[in-house]
Amino acid sequence: ETGVTQTPRHLVMGMTNKKSLKCEQHLGHNAMYWYKQSAKKPLELMFVYSLEERVENNSVPSRFSPECPNSSHLFLHLHTLQPEDSALYLCASSIQGGRGTGELFFGEGSRLTVL
Amino acid sequence: AQRVTQPEKLLSVFKGAPVELKCNYSYSGSPELFWYVQYSRQRLQLLLRHISRESIKGFTADLNKGETSFHLKKPFAQEEDSAMYYCALSEAGTYKYIFGTGTRLKVLA
Repeated sequence: ETGVTQTPRHLVMGMTNKKSLKCEQHLGHNAMYWYKQSAKKPLELMFVYSLEERVENNSVPSRFSPECPNSSHLFLHLHTLQPEDSALYLCASSIQGGRGTGELFFGEGSRLTVL
Repeated sequence: AQRVTQPEKLLSVFKGAPVELKCNYSYSGSPELFWYVQYSRQRLQLLLRHISRESIKGFTADLNKGETSFHLKKPFAQEEDSAMYYCALSEAGTYKYIFGTGTRLKVLA
């Protein structure tokens, strides 16, 4: 499948659970992003990986742990989350180079509910 | 701090009427500005960027550095334009990509 794919699309977890969100891109991009989208808030940049190296970490709590094993895959490991962490988590990818960041290609998102 | 502001949460217009979705930004350097759109049940996707200076689906946006604005305009709205629109700013030389809160456009028949 081409484009950016996120799994699972929906996840319900308790505060003591450990779960992971997965993102794959088959576009040949070298940068991948995690964004959090909550109601009435702008898209919040959480993490950026460029060539599998974390280049941006926007003061995200340690209960969120990203992993980028290769340029096509990105994970977000979740542990002891809070109900306020319930949101839509979006993955995106882009080609980095030259002056700056180009177009972001987004996945459909993983809807997380923390009970 | 860098910021993107979209003052309108909801904008309703009639079909055939002109549309302007407002975007203001706060940034000290030379930003790259984008408009993204999310149609119902579809993923967020790029609509246009200021450096390309092109018209997509009849939409245009001009970067006004004096007013720090990047408003999205279309002379005649169509029902299929109904969607969520996000203005975004990319900081040159960094990986920061900042989004506004979005404006929902409803085009009424």
